[in-house]
Amino acid sequence: EVQLVESGGDLVQPGGSLRLSCAVSGFTLSDHYMDWVRQAPGKGLEWVGRTRNKAQSYTTEYAASVKGRFTISRDDSKNSLYLQMSGLQTEDTAVYYCARGGTVAGRHYLDLWGRGTLVTVSS
Amino acid sequence: DIQLTQSPSFLSASVGDRVTVTCRASQGISRFLAWYQQRPGKAPKLLIYAASTLQSGVPSRFSGSGSGTEFTLTISSLQPEDFATYYCQHLNSYPFTFGPGTKVDIK
Repeated sequence: EVQLVESGGDLVQPGGSLRLSCAVSGFTLSDHYMDWVRQAPGKGLEWVGRTRNKAQSYTTEYAASVKGRFTISRDDSKNSLYLQMSGLQTEDTAVYYCARGGTVAGRHYLDLWGRGTLVTVSS
Repeated sequence: DIQLTQSPSFLSASVGDRVTVTCRASQGISRFLAWYQQRPGKAPKLLIYAASTLQSGVPSRFSGSGSGTEFTLTISSLQPEDFATYYCQHLNSYPFTFGPGTKVDIK
């Protein structure tokens, strides 16, 4: 079955760190761009960042709000995507989704999403 | 950064109604726009990409149009399962941003 399953969400104190994982199944991870998108409680969607595929050397892009604090990585051999978060702030509280970039139309639209994992930043 | 606005932010409609949602970009984005549907408590689902291409498996009552700075999502005959929030997203240049969403509710 083609799916994405996030894990690692937790309650963390301001200034703390956390690593989220996204387990991939049913497709070849190395072929795809992969994104993280978050949604604060009761709010809209916010794009967090992207890792390109193997052919594009796994380079990354980030939203300004997380750049320098969050790092996206992947281990294709383990079929896993990661989001390392540090310097967490209360405004980082959200459900974090991993999403797959499709391979049509040249822009890698997000055609498959996981169910999300909740990160709560609070003292 | 490119900003997206959506109108309306909320609409109330009945089953069978024709519904149109508009997404406007702060600068031209060619046709690099997607539409997503999010039902309560669920992950977003891709409906349309490249402004007007229907994602596989999405019912044909959904359609998209537009280019440049103005785009529309149309549901030709609203069904009970279509009551949800709809987001546009541009993929023209980094950072990719989403619109604030349009909630479609039952009248």
